[in-house]
Amino acid sequence: QSVLTQPPSVSGAPGQRVTISCTGSSSNIGTGYDVHWYQQLPGTAPRLLIYINNNRPSGVPDRFSGSKSGTSASLAISGLQAEDEADYYCQSYDTSLSGWVFGGGTKLTVL
Amino acid sequence: EVQLVESGGGLVQPGESLRLSCAASGFTFSSSSMNWVRQAPGKGLEWVSYISGSGNNIYYADSVKGRFTISRDNARNSLYLQMDSLRAEDTAIYYCASVHNYYMDVWGRGTTVTVSS
Repeated sequence: QSVLTQPPSVSGAPGQRVTISCTGSSSNIGTGYDVHWYQQLPGTAPRLLIYINNNRPSGVPDRFSGSKSGTSASLAISGLQAEDEADYYCQSYDTSLSGWVFGGGTKLTVL
Repeated sequence: EVQLVESGGGLVQPGESLRLSCAASGFTFSSSSMNWVRQAPGKGLEWVSYISGSGNNIYYADSVKGRFTISRDNARNSLYLQMDSLRAEDTAIYYCASVHNYYMDVWGRGTTVTVSS
């Protein structure tokens, strides 16, 4: 059971917009720690997608955006493309565990 | 080019030890905090251990505390993970990643550890 909760899967047709939720608690997201998102393409290492809630590293298309509110966060992907098919993970820091915590991951399928 | 390259994985029996290495290049390693993160087959990401740039601050996940030891050699731009008393549930791909403001901005490709009799 992951500390951060994500839906196991989401799907959308090319060109559509999808969102992935990430729910935490008062010991992580709710206490002010930022949320970060990673994309893991099949058979590859994770890569940073969104940092500090809504910032994109260079090279990440502006189709990807993030937000945070209260004890939750969301990743939005607009203009879906086949190459976006991957696993997506949210991550924060937990004061009770004194460590980094991840969501269980969400598999995005582009129909 | 900023790069992290893990090595040292392999097949070991339960109870045995293994030492992973992570070679860093393209950035000021001594100024960078580092994490080890693992991913069991078909599962999600799990944080394993953290070490600050100086090596003075170290943290472990409860699942490995007392069995794993993280260390670094800034002169060699290298990060290590000594894994003792390995269990079947330690089977995973182990990634090293640089840490910046609680997020991991650069990841290696990983090294595979299999614990099986």
